[in-house]
Amino acid sequence: SQELEQSPQSLIVQEGKNLTINCTSSKTLYGLYWYKQKYGEGLIFLMMLQKGGEEKSHEKITAKLDEKKQQSSLHITASQPSHAGIYLCGADAGGFKTIFGAGTRLFVKA
Amino acid sequence: DARVTQTPRHKVTEMGQEVTMRCQPILGHNTVFWYRQTMMQGLELLAYFRNRAPLDDSGMPKDRFSAEMPDATLATLKIQPSEPRDSAVYFCASGLGRVAGDTYNEQFFGPGTRLTVL
Repeated sequence: SQELEQSPQSLIVQEGKNLTINCTSSKTLYGLYWYKQKYGEGLIFLMMLQKGGEEKSHEKITAKLDEKKQQSSLHITASQPSHAGIYLCGADAGGFKTIFGAGTRLFVKA
Repeated sequence: DARVTQTPRHKVTEMGQEVTMRCQPILGHNTVFWYRQTMMQGLELLAYFRNRAPLDDSGMPKDRFSAEMPDATLATLKIQPSEPRDSAVYFCASGLGRVAGDTYNEQFFGPGTRLTVL
């Protein structure tokens, strides 16, 4: 079965700094989703990538899917306290199912 | 402002008691998912429905968990009897499950039900 590994598990950054979160799949990705979860709340969809080499942006957050479609990175530019939360990658697992990575906990120091 | 609603938001119960969690998906969404989130296991899919029909409940302990969609506006997840290891946050999500060339399955999550079984 497909597995998603996220790194790092947690991250503490100073406000204003850039950061990158990675998501590596054990199998080829046919649909890769990025979600954000604020502490104590549900997940919010950020963006979806399907094609190798694809890159999408949402405000100051940019996500890329590598050419081989087995890894995605999420990059935040000039981090702000509002970026704090848990970032989860998800992958289409067939039949409308999505499997999720364990998440990366981001803390932003003001 | 369409959103998925879940009730109750918090539930504390004693081992052996029945627990029912409810979810109202976004109107028009035909796919509904139940997830469980814990620190140890992360986000796990328990069951999901399409057009109210159960498609997959392989992630659910069959002996104590049951999921139903009595109508298009209500999904329920029931645990009977509950056990301390069931303590977790349970999320409901809904989506359109569009298939247009490629599968596109953006999901909209509810706020979750935080369950504590003593």
